[in-house]
Amino acid sequence: NAGVTQTPKFQVLKTGQSMTLQCAQDMNHNSMYWYRQDPGMGLRLIYYSASEGTTDKGEVPNGYNVSRLNKREFSLRLESAAPSQTSVYFCASFYDTHTGELFFGEGSRLTVL
Amino acid sequence: GNSVTQMEGPVTLSEEAFLTINCTYTATGYPSLFWYVQYPGEGLQLLLKATKADDKGSNKGFEATYRKETTSFHLEKGSVQVSDSAVYFCALRRNNAGNMLTFGGGTRLMVKP
Repeated sequence: NAGVTQTPKFQVLKTGQSMTLQCAQDMNHNSMYWYRQDPGMGLRLIYYSASEGTTDKGEVPNGYNVSRLNKREFSLRLESAAPSQTSVYFCASFYDTHTGELFFGEGSRLTVL
Repeated sequence: GNSVTQMEGPVTLSEEAFLTINCTYTATGYPSLFWYVQYPGEGLQLLLKATKADDKGSNKGFEATYRKETTSFHLEKGSVQVSDSAVYFCALRRNNAGNMLTFGGGTRLMVKP
């Protein structure tokens, strides 16, 4: 069982370049999330999708766009990368509302020069 | 708004020492509380949870008690092992507010043999 799969695991960009982080889950979860992790700041929510066809902004959405392509896939796009977007990005999906458990991918480390 | 505050790390302990990682929260209503653990190079995993006041979550020798009067959810373990070295995140989910979690900044634990 693969769980939550993110690609790529590492990426180096130059300022102004664009890229898309891909995420797929095989657990038939409705909700999916993109977080960024920065030292001392924990995880901050960028965007989330409560169900197929819907997306909403989280705490730090500026500079990002998302697409919920289908129930399995939720991508995060940086249209014009900035050094402030250097971070580790985590995709997660939600198990069910009762337990509140998020399942996380292994993360994507992005460096913007 | 919601917030979670954790003690800053790193916390360095010798094997078999007693562990406490403090976590306090601010939220309206009665949130659910969680501890997640992140091992090196991996995504976060749910460690334990508590959904109402005075509940005790436990897993793998770790415990945390939901204290409404002190708005705290401190993580404890009686005897740590080298394999417990990881980053620990406290998080809350405000009930009836969707499936979004608010995370603390994380506390790195290093256990020496």
